[in-house]
Amino acid sequence: ILNVEQSPQSLHVQEGDSTNFTCSFPSSNFYALHWYRWETAKSPEALFVMTLNGDEKKKGRISATLNTKEGYSYLYIKGSQPEDSATYLCAFARGLNYGGSQGNLIFGKGTKLSVKP
Amino acid sequence: DAGVIQSPRHEVTEMGQEVTLRCKPISGHNSLFWYRQTMMRGLELLIYFNNNVPIDDSGMPEDRFSAKMPNASFSTLKIQPSEPRDSAVYFCASSIDYEIYNEQFFGPGTRLTVL
Repeated sequence: ILNVEQSPQSLHVQEGDSTNFTCSFPSSNFYALHWYRWETAKSPEALFVMTLNGDEKKKGRISATLNTKEGYSYLYIKGSQPEDSATYLCAFARGLNYGGSQGNLIFGKGTKLSVKP
Repeated sequence: DAGVIQSPRHEVTEMGQEVTLRCKPISGHNSLFWYRQTMMRGLELLIYFNNNVPIDDSGMPEDRFSAKMPNASFSTLKIQPSEPRDSAVYFCASSIDYEIYNEQFFGPGTRLTVL
């Protein structure tokens, strides 16, 4: 059974704080790692898709790093704002021995971020 | 583009009834995914299609669940007969193709309640 773990489960920060959270995934047969942002009452929106060890991606105040050898990815938010409040999901795609991917994403349960003004 | 469209947004039904959820993917996207979201298990893939062909349905929980994609712009997920434990939010997502480094675009979801 493939497990994708996210920590912490929830996080409460003040506006202006910088924060980060972790996604852990199996380090063998890595293919891709996705980060999604999911606001309450909306649908998940893709933030990043990362495929290479050492990848770093950035979108505004949000950035992510990837370590495929040890099986983790960090998501960083610099200077959190109330509008950053959401659940952040990561999803892992496993590669197949003959190439290509398994074809499905395995999601973690998310980190729920609340930013207080 | 309107994004992925799902209907209905909310469905309340009684145990034993047939439920049909509908999805229209983004035009030009070749892959379509059906997910189920529950508190206990999070977001789980039920089935996905590529070019209208089911590729992997190993996530479909039981024979009571079936999905079809008769053409590139429409898919259905059917539960017959429905049970209270089927209550969840069902999401449809589409992507350019099934290669898993392509981001998936999610619809707004259908919240199903089976009484």
